[in-house]
Amino acid sequence: ELKVEQNPLFLSMQEGKNYTIYCNYSTTSDRLYWYRQDPGKSLESLFVLLSNGAVKQEGRLMASLDTKARLSTLHITAAVHDLSATYFCADFQGAQKLVFGQGTRLTINP
Amino acid sequence: DTGVSQNPRHKITKRGQNVTFRCDPISEHNRLYWYRQTLGQGPEFLTYFQNEAQLEKSRLLSDRFSAERPKGSFSTLEIQRTEQGDSAMYLCASSFALEYEQYFGPGTRLTVT
Repeated sequence: ELKVEQNPLFLSMQEGKNYTIYCNYSTTSDRLYWYRQDPGKSLESLFVLLSNGAVKQEGRLMASLDTKARLSTLHITAAVHDLSATYFCADFQGAQKLVFGQGTRLTINP
Repeated sequence: DTGVSQNPRHKITKRGQNVTFRCDPISEHNRLYWYRQTLGQGPEFLTYFQNEAQLEKSRLLSDRFSAERPKGSFSTLEIQRTEQGDSAMYLCASSFALEYEQYFGPGTRLTVT
């Protein structure tokens, strides 16, 4: 099983600032997922990116996929405290299973 | 149908005991997945079913672990002779084979003392 790597692993930022989380994956998959997890909770689906160049936005979050670079990004615009959580990207490998990155623990301070 | 459900939500057991978890997927979802998540890590794939057939098992699934989905609906995950290293959150997810979304349940948190 091929790895999925996220960076940074920890991110502390101020409200109102912008930042980007990066996700590198090693397969030739063209399907990439982003999930949010609050402490002690399960996974909430944020985005499913299905093709090269795909861009999806929901509120202050925007995700994109570059299959040639094997890179996905999750961009946070004008962060608010409610976005504090751990964010995971996951690659769909072998048409069978999700392989997750290590997660990025995001803390947004007032 | 409000989503994937898992029972129990929490389980504390002593080392060496057997435990069984249940997952009820979203109705008519033909794929069901089990993942394990340890503290501070991303979920790791354990196994998946399409209908009642178990199609892949991870190397993480030692011979102490067994999963079933007897009628293609709910699934059970059993761990025999539990070890402290089995302490984790066990997550179940379901999907349609031809659709992209995997919907996760709330998880079962296992603590082995």
